[in-house]
Amino acid sequence: SYVVTQPPSVSVAPGQTARITCGGNNIGSKSVHWYQQKPGQAPVLVVHDDSDRPSGIPERFSGSNSGNTATLTISRVEAGDEADYYCQVWDSSSDHPVFGGGTKLTVL
Amino acid sequence: EVQLVESGGGLVQPGGSLRLSCAASGFTLSDHYMDWVRQAPGKGLEWVGRTRNKANSYTTEYAASVKGRFTISRDDSKNSLYLQMKSLKTEDTAVYYCARDYYGSGSAPLGYWGQGTLVTVSS
Repeated sequence: SYVVTQPPSVSVAPGQTARITCGGNNIGSKSVHWYQQKPGQAPVLVVHDDSDRPSGIPERFSGSNSGNTATLTISRVEAGDEADYYCQVWDSSSDHPVFGGGTKLTVL
Repeated sequence: EVQLVESGGGLVQPGGSLRLSCAASGFTLSDHYMDWVRQAPGKGLEWVGRTRNKANSYTTEYAASVKGRFTISRDDSKNSLYLQMKSLKTEDTAVYYCARDYYGSGSAPLGYWGQGTLVTVSS
């Protein structure tokens, strides 16, 4: 089945830009969704279909997808953005969602 | 407002069974795909399975790790989703979330999640 790969951790200073990647074979041909999960809480959808934001998600969260890499970009990072972030795609061959392993974002 | 509330988690011995429930409100259950996703302690998200919407005959799909042991069902009249788990293994220990598609398509993201219920498989 399809495999997506994320870096285990990303660190960034407050006010800077965080970029979290999601790699997969020709992932640019798929729609990528991103979830934020804070400790003890359920995941929250922050970007869907590569670059769309659900209502209520700050414009600081954006996404892109091309070639073999999708990227979640968080601008002007705040302490409250510290969380685990998961990418997810739809694997048409197995007909089910596939999650990346998650990336822990640390705000220094 | 869309709400999903899971219940039924607890401690069960290896080889045992457990049924989880997910109470849905704020939307018409029959219109939507419903998934179960789990998260083992300190680990990432793992898709468990789904039931498609009425338009797609409520068919189900399962992850290979649970196929043949877990069964997803739904009762739209009760606005409820269920996960029947049998032959439980210690590696099934996890928080189990029910989740709804964001816009009623098979490839849609999971836009709404419950708070999760913890299942512990241990002797």
